Amino acid sequence: QSALTQPASVSGSPGQSITISCTGTSSDVGGYKYVSWYQQHPGKAPKLIIYDVSNRPSGISNRFSGSKSGNTASLTISGLQPEDEADYYCNSYSASSILLFGGGTHLTVL
Amino acid sequence: QVQLVQSGAEVKKPGASVKVSCKTSGYTFSDFYLHWVRQAPGQGLEWMGWINPNSGGTNFAPKFHGRVTMTRDTYISTAYMELSRLRSDDTAVYYCARDLGYSYGPFDYWGQGSLVSVSS
Repeated sequence: QSALTQPASVSGSPGQSITISCTGTSSDVGGYKYVSWYQQHPGKAPKLIIYDVSNRPSGISNRFSGSKSGNTASLTISGLQPEDEADYYCNSYSASSILLFGGGTHLTVL
Repeated sequence: QVQLVQSGAEVKKPGASVKVSCKTSGYTFSDFYLHWVRQAPGQGLEWMGWINPNSGGTNFAPKFHGRVTMTRDTYISTAYMELSRLRSDDTAVYYCARDLGYSYGPFDYWGQGSLVSVSS
């Protein structure tokens, strides 16, 4: 099984919105609701920001939202803030009970 | 509060084995699957597998089959990941992470990471 496909980098200005895509197959992203997103700042452990495609854990800003269409999941961050600059990873459950990560997307807040 | 505290950094030679521990607290250990995820320097996250702390059952990513062992000690609420026949490309930070969803993810709490360096 291959990693899920994410753009290597995205950028936006403070206050703008950006969207990060995560493309898989019908055996992973398209086949299950178990898609999650993680934010990772340098030298830190990843932090869960979206789970089950579109749910936010307690304490996560509503500026973060998730969706899915077919085999592609998306993370949207609205009202960009400087502290949003980080790496973002998607994760999906897949057939054969394994989990897959995307390659990661670096977000630059200009 | 939920905490996952991992063992310290290790330096190993190629061909050796390493065992990383993940001591949990703040919740009932047997109620949540634990996963292991690694991150090579400058690279992305890679899922390695999970252990069911209740039964001891495990499931691994295909590339680690035969080289990884995941165990637990329920009396001290600690999980272990042992990787054998180490290679230089096993150099990475290894994380344990708690599963909120019974092996499907997501990972709601993470350990601080354990750096394993493999070098001759």
